[in-house]
Amino acid sequence: DTEVTQTPKHLVMGMTNKKSLKCEQHMGHRAMYWYKQKAKKPPELMFVYSYEKLSINESVPSRFSPECPNSSLLNLHLHALQPEDSALYLCASSQGLGRQPQHFGDGTRLSIL
Amino acid sequence: AQRVTQPEKLLSVFKGAPVELKCNYSYSGSPELFWYVQYSRQRLQLLLRHISRESIKGFTADLNKGETSFHLKKPFAQEEDSAMYYCALNLASNTGKLIFGQGTTLQVKP
Repeated sequence: DTEVTQTPKHLVMGMTNKKSLKCEQHMGHRAMYWYKQKAKKPPELMFVYSYEKLSINESVPSRFSPECPNSSLLNLHLHALQPEDSALYLCASSQGLGRQPQHFGDGTRLSIL
Repeated sequence: AQRVTQPEKLLSVFKGAPVELKCNYSYSGSPELFWYVQYSRQRLQLLLRHISRESIKGFTADLNKGETSFHLKKPFAQEEDSAMYYCALNLASNTGKLIFGQGTTLQVKP
């Protein structure tokens, strides 16, 4: 299995809702990432996990809360989001934090009403 | 400061024409560079990695440290090459951080 799988593919939520995005990989990768991508823009790094521990938080607002329950899974918990948080959220994984390429999922397209 | 510059937002060529997507970087250390491609409604995919020196889908890219460039080239463009292309720099800091360029949309006309 050489894929990064993200669910759901689409999510519409109100500003008061709580929801979670899920990401799974079975490539034995030990580093996992969350990115935010706006239309026709490059991905912006949000969080990096290495060996299930948070290693980078790029000053992301606390309404986004990441979680890495095990080496194959990465979640992003969402609460009280703003309309400007509407975007494509990408998960990626790599063998480690060294100079290995990152493999991306299809993303979750999030719309905040 | 570390930076990746892709000067063209849009590159439009006819099928069969040569293609060069430009990428320049600013980094004081030893760079590792990638090209990623994002076809319409598809995931971001790794296209090339400079250390592998492969040719994927007819594309090649050579790292030129003197000119701090990593341009992507293909001698004969195909319509299916139409996509968004991102150049990305991996820092030598073991952080996993990728610095992306702003991207170039390649449009190959029939």
